[in-house]
Amino acid sequence: QKEVEQNSGPLSVPEGAIASLNCTYSDRGSQSFFWYRQYSGKSPELIMFIYSNGDKEDGRFTAQLNKASQYVSLLIRDSQPSDSATYLCAVRRGSTLGRLYFGRGTQLTVWP
Amino acid sequence: NAGVTQTPKFQVLKTGQSMTLQCAQDMNHNSMYWYRQDPGMGLRLIYYSASEGTTDKGEVPNGYNVSRLNKREFSLRLESAAPSQTSVYFCASSEGPASGGTDTQYFGPGTRLTVL
Repeated sequence: QKEVEQNSGPLSVPEGAIASLNCTYSDRGSQSFFWYRQYSGKSPELIMFIYSNGDKEDGRFTAQLNKASQYVSLLIRDSQPSDSATYLCAVRRGSTLGRLYFGRGTQLTVWP
Repeated sequence: NAGVTQTPKFQVLKTGQSMTLQCAQDMNHNSMYWYRQDPGMGLRLIYYSASEGTTDKGEVPNGYNVSRLNKREFSLRLESAAPSQTSVYFCASSEGPASGGTDTQYFGPGTRLTVL
């Protein structure tokens, strides 16, 4: 089983809709969780991180973490065409200080 | 403040040639990382350096070597390039786990390498 799995996508939503991106992880000792956005041909950039169970909101983005289910998600409200990108979930395990384990990414397209 | 810089941006090699990818950061970060990204594979860690003077293997280290030249610079060397090493290579840096912060990784612009 891969360390970090993301829903395969691609995901396509209309402008103004909520986009939901999901990620599961295998190591129950994982401590911190990151969502990166990557535009085509560009490098990943951090959108959000979350450590604690529950929701964390930042503007139109909400990260949700459920450690019991080993599940983390990213919701994008009022999706815009500029949100069209690949979203990468990354997990830091407690036993491997500093290292991140990345999922394969979910490609999101927001159509006008 | 340039963040993380990488050179070159593009490179074409023939099988068996060698080359070094350069990475530098100006954020006074302790930790640095090299990843490769292939279509549909996400980011895979090649090597990382948790602090100056240390390096460790990641998920896919075969065929690569690294040097943490100083706190700012972390290079990746391909001694004998193979077509399987055709990829996009990203360098990243972070404060390091001992910093007590989020230890967010910041990425460079990438090097697109083709091995013929």
